[in-house]
Amino acid sequence: EDKVVQSPLSLVVHEGDTVTLNCSYEVTNFRSLLWYKQEKKAPTFLFMLTSSGIEKKSGRLSSILDKKELFSILNITATQTGDSAIYLCALAGGTSYGKLTFGQGTILTVHP
Amino acid sequence: EAGVAQSPRYKIIEKRQSVAFWCNPISGHATLYWYQQILGQGPKLLIQFQNNGVVDDSQLPKDRFSAERLKGVDSTLKIQPAKLEDSAVYLCASSLLTSGRYNEQFFGPGTRLTVL
Repeated sequence: EDKVVQSPLSLVVHEGDTVTLNCSYEVTNFRSLLWYKQEKKAPTFLFMLTSSGIEKKSGRLSSILDKKELFSILNITATQTGDSAIYLCALAGGTSYGKLTFGQGTILTVHP
Repeated sequence: EAGVAQSPRYKIIEKRQSVAFWCNPISGHATLYWYQQILGQGPKLLIQFQNNGVVDDSQLPKDRFSAERLKGVDSTLKIQPAKLEDSAVYLCASSLLTSGRYNEQFFGPGTRLTVL
């Protein structure tokens, strides 16, 4: 059974800090790894990673995948209060196309 | 482009009662998913449809949960009878037809169910 474990479970920082969120996984048939941001509503898509070592970047957010060591990290630089959310890591794998297995999420709180 | 619509947004029921949730996916999206998200956990897939056929329902508690997507568009998820542990947010998502690669899933706002 595919498995996704995120750490830390929660994180409290001040505006301007840099944070690194971790996601490790076990999968039988890797297709891709995805990061989502969830505020009070639905998860919104951040990144999809399929290849090792290639950094995806969007503004202050970046992410990279290591398929040998089976983990991914999500970095957020110069954090803002609007970054406060739950960050979810999800794995697309197995035999069912499209099925996502989510981790438990990291709750990020950014104080002014 | 309109997003994924869900209703109701909130529902409070007593245990052993029945409840139904409705989802309207993004137009043209052939694949529809129902997820259950218990507080403090990530979403868990309950059922995946492709058009009106079930692709994966391995984690759906079939003794009490049922779902249908009769015309390959809207979908309903039903719980009968509800248990306390069914309290969760039920998320609906949709994506373009899957064809051997992952297609981005777009999530609706969710229905928050509280079972008393």
